[in-house]
Order: sequence, then structure tokens, then C-alpha cells
Amino acid sequence: EPEVTQTPSHQVTQMGQEVILRCVPISNHLYFYWYRQILGQKVEFLVSFYNNEISEKSEIFDDQFSVERPDGSNFTLKIRSTKLEDSAMYFCASSGVAGANVLTFGAGSRLTVL
Amino acid sequence: SQKIEQNSEALNIQEGKTATLTCNYTNYSPAYLQWYRQDPGRGPVFLLLIRENEKEKRKERLKVTFDTTLKQSLFHITASQPADSATYLCALPMDTGRRALTFGSGTRLQVQP
Repeated sequence: EPEVTQTPSHQVTQMGQEVILRCVPISNHLYFYWYRQILGQKVEFLVSFYNNEISEKSEIFDDQFSVERPDGSNFTLKIRSTKLEDSAMYFCASSGVAGANVLTFGAGSRLTVL
Repeated sequence: SQKIEQNSEALNIQEGKTATLTCNYTNYSPAYLQWYRQDPGRGPVFLLLIRENEKEKRKERLKVTFDTTLKQSLFHITASQPADSATYLCALPMDTGRRALTFGSGTRLQVQP
């Protein structure tokens, strides 16, 4: 069964450092998403990406965040200058175009900011 | 934007019983509602989708209902098994015309053998 893959599975970084999280969405999906989940809290929407541009974003997705599809398969989330409160599990998801928006999630990248 | 309420208290039931989880939403009525399962440290996994014109949807031991008047969905697992123990999330579009989904905080289900 097709799956969304994410790397790294766990990253530890110092506050102020830049972090890039990578995702390979399902190959025939056209919508890509990043969600985050702070420990013990709910899954929160960050951003969606379609046709090589951001289609929706939340208030959490401020200037410290950016997304990119550098080639035909990868989808990345960059956090420019990490803060302690960026520590969370970051999930990538993808969905097809037609019909209701059913998301397939990756296993997540756990980011720990020290 | 949409707000979702799910019972934050864990639901503990005996194996073989039916588990019923509730999802209430406020604001606008969505065109569809989805349920996901999340295991600790893992990403959510899609289970079922029900549309606004459907009252009930079934898949194996799972059943979802959707009452747009009450703004509520019920998620049932019949003949529950310890392997059903997980957190179950309700999700719907964030607002009219938006594709992005907003998730409830989930209800943790614990099935005792």
C-alpha cells in the first residue's frame, strides 16, 4: 500500500538553528500538508500546498516557516530559527484531488528544540 | 472557523462490548466528516468518511452516524477488541470552501481483555 515517508524520524536541535523536515508524499497525490502535534495536544494544521504554491495556511505558519517542493517527489518544511515551543511531532500528509479530502499521514518527525 | 469537541476523558470498556465515541462541532455544517485512528507516536490513520446527506456509514465493525441538526457524529466500534485501543480523532473541513481539515483533540479508547 502506498505510504507517505518522512525523514528524519527524530531531530534534536539547539534553539535558533534552522531545521528542514522532509517528506515524500504518495506519488499520484497532488495536495500536500504539514500538521504538528505538541505532546499531549491535538493535531494542528500548519499549511497546505497545491500546484507548487501554498493553498492554505494557519496562524501558526508564520514567517519562521516555509515549505518547498524542490523536485518531483520531495516536500519540505523549513523552520528558520527554532524556538523551544517548536518542539513537537510534525506530520506530513497528502491527498488526491477528487472528492472529499482524505488524508494519508506519514509516521511523523519528532523535533526537540533545546 | 470550525470548533470540534470530543470527550477528552478516556473511555474504558470490556472486550466484546460496543464503544461509542462522540464528536460535536460548532459553527458551519460541513459537507463531510471523517474519523481517524491515532496510535501513540504515530500519524493518524483514516477510518471512515460520512457525507452530510448520509445518516449512517458502516465498515466492518465500525459505524458512523451524522446528525446535522444536532451537529454531532457518533462513532461506534462493535465487538471491541484490545487491538482497538487507540485515540480516535474526528476531523472536518476548517471552514466552508476549504480543503484543509481541522481535528478534534480525540478520545482515547482502552479495551480491557
